Amino acid sequence: DQQVKQNSPSLSVQEGRISILNCDYTNSMFDYFLWYKKYPAEGPTFLISISSIKDKNEDGRFTVFLNKSAKHLSLHIVPSQPGDSAVYFCAANFGNEKLTFGTGTRLTIIP
Amino acid sequence: KAGVTQTPRYLIKTRGQQVTLSCSPISGHRSVSWYQQTPGQGLQFLFEYFSETQRNKGNFPGRFSGRQFSNSRSEMNVSTLELGDSALYLCASSFDLSPGYTFGSGTRLTVV
Repeated sequence: DQQVKQNSPSLSVQEGRISILNCDYTNSMFDYFLWYKKYPAEGPTFLISISSIKDKNEDGRFTVFLNKSAKHLSLHIVPSQPGDSAVYFCAANFGNEKLTFGTGTRLTIIP
Repeated sequence: KAGVTQTPRYLIKTRGQQVTLSCSPISGHRSVSWYQQTPGQGLQFLFEYFSETQRNKGNFPGRFSGRQFSNSRSEMNVSTLELGDSALYLCASSFDLSPGYTFGSGTRLTVV
């Protein structure tokens, strides 16, 4: 049972434009959500997170939006840069439970 | 400060063998989690250790086991290797109960 879903395996965006990565979840107990970025041959690195008490969190070019009623979160990257090309994973958890990851979206920024 | 260190980086084993992977967390981090990454499956949770106790366990067969030592270093063991065990095994550490994990670079296991 995939409790965290990233339905787009890949996404291509022109450099300078906005990249929007989407994530859906089914477990209403989740109260903390994170995005990780992964380059080949490296471990995932933490990007940005959001608590369920918020609906938006911003950090530089990265903004995460949370829609609890729709059980949906998205990551916006503006403007997109070539170095943003990577696989992005969303993840969620609650309490002391494990972090549950989605299957990832491969983002390619086209120069 | 030093990050999460996983050894070895690459490993090739034969079906039926067993393997032990090692993870040294960031100094001061007491929680260590292990994940398996395969193409199309994302990161599948294996288990988590906190202060030498297994706190959470994923849905993997008993061939997959782990432990944590008093210095928070962790090992995972896979016995009777199968071809499907070929994957990138990632270790992540965090301070106390924080979900903001820091991942190591992983161990790429290939079973032939």
